Amino acid sequence: GDSVTQMEGPVTLSEEAFLTINCTYTATGYPSLFWYVQYPGEGLQLLLKATKADDKGSNKGFEATYRKETTSFHLEKGSVQVSDSAVYFCALSERPGYNKLIFGAGTRLAVHP
Amino acid sequence: DAGITQSPRHKVTETGTPVTLRCHQTENHRYMYWYRQDPGHGLRLIHYSYGVKDTDKGEVSDGYSVSRSKTEDFLLTLESATSSQTSVYFCAISPWTGESYEQYFGPGTRLTVT
Repeated sequence: GDSVTQMEGPVTLSEEAFLTINCTYTATGYPSLFWYVQYPGEGLQLLLKATKADDKGSNKGFEATYRKETTSFHLEKGSVQVSDSAVYFCALSERPGYNKLIFGAGTRLAVHP
Repeated sequence: DAGITQSPRHKVTETGTPVTLRCHQTENHRYMYWYRQDPGHGLRLIHYSYGVKDTDKGEVSDGYSVSRSKTEDFLLTLESATSSQTSVYFCAISPWTGESYEQYFGPGTRLTVT
């Protein structure tokens, strides 16, 4: 079945460093891809999404590009802040009109001043 | 704010007791979901609903049941709680945006089974 694999954390960075969190997926069709963020003690919030190959999702300085050839959707940010410390989840839905999500295990990011 | 509330937010219960968690939405969305979150597993789908009285099993449904008698409420019941059901439970709704479904999550319920 479909699945999502994320790099293991924690990822520890200094403020203003460049961030990459890797996400690869396995899917038989043409999934939509999502990144969610979870701050301590809260639920998940949608960070960005991409619904077709070569689409770039972006929000709050974060970006991810849907790469069908490498089945990847890596999350990047050019300069992280302490406030970006959170757990990040990559997820897919099997096709744009399908509403169930499959999540990766999550990657914890800790940013130090 | 997606208009989703969960109750209770925290609960401690003993093994073998029944427990019901409530999810309430204010936006009349058709699709609702229950997930559990455990370290190393991300979120795993327990049950979901696609309308009043229409529900189906997810990936980890054993030991759980659900009910949806009104559009706005989706209840998750642990008939006889076990320590393996200690977890954080999240409810979600899923509006259609015109190009994809997006899921919006409630604040979670932390359940401890002793």
